[in-house]
Amino acid sequence: EVQLVESGGGLVQPGRSLRLSCIGSGFTFGDYAMSWVRQAPGKGLEWVGFIRGKPHIGTTEYATSVKGRFTISRDDSTSIAYLQMNSLKSEDTGVYYCTRERTYDWHALIDSWGQGTLVTVSS
Amino acid sequence: DIVMTQSPDSLAVSLGDRATINCKSSRSISYSPNNQNYLAWFQQKPGQPPKLLIYWASIRESGVPDRFSGSGSGTDFTLTISSLQAEDVAVYYCHQYYSAPWTFGQGTKVEIK
Repeated sequence: EVQLVESGGGLVQPGRSLRLSCIGSGFTFGDYAMSWVRQAPGKGLEWVGFIRGKPHIGTTEYATSVKGRFTISRDDSTSIAYLQMNSLKSEDTGVYYCTRERTYDWHALIDSWGQGTLVTVSS
Repeated sequence: DIVMTQSPDSLAVSLGDRATINCKSSRSISYSPNNQNYLAWFQQKPGQPPKLLIYWASIRESGVPDRFSGSGSGTDFTLTISSLQAEDVAVYYCHQYYSAPWTFGQGTKVEIK
């Protein structure tokens, strides 16, 4: 069974940084892209970005709203994906979901979700 | 970025009746060489993460009931629930994975009339 477990959420002041982690199990981690999707309170889904698995492993893409502030990385030896969030803003508040993506050449499809971790950016 | 627009924002349907949700992309998300449409549908029930229902615009994910179906190509797509059940109350999102950054529609809330 595929499992994705996020951690690292919490309350952080505007302008500060936070790093989220996602540990995957039940599948061959390196074969999949890993991504992050967020959801502001009472709002819809916003794709944040992803890091590809094989064959284009390590390449990344980001949403326009976070490009230059957020960085996604992965450690396939421990099956963990990370989301480093810098220069946080109040509009970054929300539940952050870790997702697994099936790879189709340069494209990838979300097929599994974690339960999410809440990030609150407030002074 | 490709903008995904769903309609309606919400709908109320009687149990056993058909529910139809539309999704329009700001440009084509079809890839001619493989004749695929890079469009997926997700279902999100209250307090839960989303769940993949449909991909390649019309392929049901394993375990998804056959009352859910997807259709469309190019820029116009549809999710149909042929006979609404109580457990189908949820918000439904369309999603394009054709061109990064991937994007979602704003969501359509389905309720029981």
